[in-house]
Amino acid sequence: DIQMTQSPSSLSASVGDRVVITCRASQSISTFLSWYQQKPGEAPKPLIYSASNLHSGVPSRFSGTGSGTDFSLIINSLQPEDFATYYCQQFYSTLTWTFGQGTKVEIK
Amino acid sequence: QITLKESAPTVVQPTQTLTLTCSFSGFSLKTHGEAVAWIRQPPGKALEWLALVYWNDGKRYSPSLKARLTITKDTSKNQVVLTMTNVHPAETATYFCTHRVWGVPAESHWGQGALVTVSS
Repeated sequence: DIQMTQSPSSLSASVGDRVVITCRASQSISTFLSWYQQKPGEAPKPLIYSASNLHSGVPSRFSGTGSGTDFSLIINSLQPEDFATYYCQQFYSTLTWTFGQGTKVEIK
Repeated sequence: QITLKESAPTVVQPTQTLTLTCSFSGFSLKTHGEAVAWIRQPPGKALEWLALVYWNDGKRYSPSLKARLTITKDTSKNQVVLTMTNVHPAETATYFCTHRVWGVPAESHWGQGALVTVSS
């Protein structure tokens, strides 16, 4: 199985900050990586697919970079509605699609 | 508009079989490229991918749970059913079904989730 490791597991930030969350794969996954945002009591919301493509309706302050084993989700100018938990998921495998353990973004 | 909704018992006893149903609209599992997956999340913990069925009846399972999972589709009812045998308390979780859009490697649409408690 491909293992996905996110860091940090949590972070505190202020409105307006630039936030970077990283996701590392246990083997190369090219750009087959997606990012999701989840707020308490809600289903995850897709943000980015194929490492850097924004889903429709996702604000442009969100961006994704990376390829191979190392990926980043960047939030420019953090907004109050961005405080949530973020997950990465690999889509390289054709058999099983594993998630990272999540990164919780909290208000400083 | 694509929607998905999970239905499941709220409580299941340990060792019993859990049956989860995903009812969807806005797409058809008869259409080339479509797929529906199941994902779960224990309270306060991370997401765990469980199983998937393709439009052509191809199926994928989490290796660690494969022996206990069965996924089926009913295209006439627009439903996908996941059964999990021999459940245990640690499998108390919210169970989500998702839809994948052809050509987009992501769980593009999610149901609201169904909380299932495994307890005697």
